[in-house]
Amino acid sequence: EVQLVQSGAEVKKPGESLKISCKGSGYSFTSNWIGWVRQMPGKGLEWMGIIYPADSDTRYSPSFQGQVIISTDKSISTAYLQWSSLKASDTAIYYCVRPSTVIRGIILHFEYWGQGTLVTVSS
Amino acid sequence: QSVLTQPPSVPGAPGQRVTISCTGSSSNIGAGYDVHWYQQRPGTAPKLLMYGNNNRPSGVPDRFSGSKSGTSASLAITGLQAEDEADYYCQSYDSSLRGSVFGGGTKLTVL
Repeated sequence: EVQLVQSGAEVKKPGESLKISCKGSGYSFTSNWIGWVRQMPGKGLEWMGIIYPADSDTRYSPSFQGQVIISTDKSISTAYLQWSSLKASDTAIYYCVRPSTVIRGIILHFEYWGQGTLVTVSS
Repeated sequence: QSVLTQPPSVPGAPGQRVTISCTGSSSNIGAGYDVHWYQQRPGTAPKLLMYGNNNRPSGVPDRFSGSKSGTSASLAITGLQAEDEADYYCQSYDSSLRGSVFGGGTKLTVL
């Protein structure tokens, strides 16, 4: 059974750094793209980016390019989303997602979702 | 402002049929990219409901169906049940943005 298990809720102050995680199991982590989706309070879903663990090929949404870093640690089948300097507007639930496949850069549907990590940024 | 446009809310009575629209443009749905749908119940992660325009994952009732034409897609739900009350999101690929895009979401209320 494919599972994406995310790290727990975080409360941070503006300007602090943060790295949240998503551990994949039940499938070949290295051979499948994995990514992140943001949901701000009371709002819709926004695709942030994806990464291919085998070679670290990473694609970002233009809205998030330069704002976050997506990475993986293949040795522990874990993907990460990190910020160097958080803002209050980063307050959201972040979902780890696994696309069914990516063909020539075209992302198909998000077949599997993590449970979500709530990040709260407040002074 | 989402790249894909959905109605903010859709009401329906138990047993009725409702449809939720998803309107895109020539760089996403109109370019031939598939549309997918997700259901998100309050306090839970989204769940894949429909993929490849009209394909249901295992376990999704056949009361749910999808279609696509031109620059738009639709999700239809027949025999509406209380448990269908949720937010629904469409998703596709956009060639201009070179990435995945979502609709703004539609809140389905079962009256």
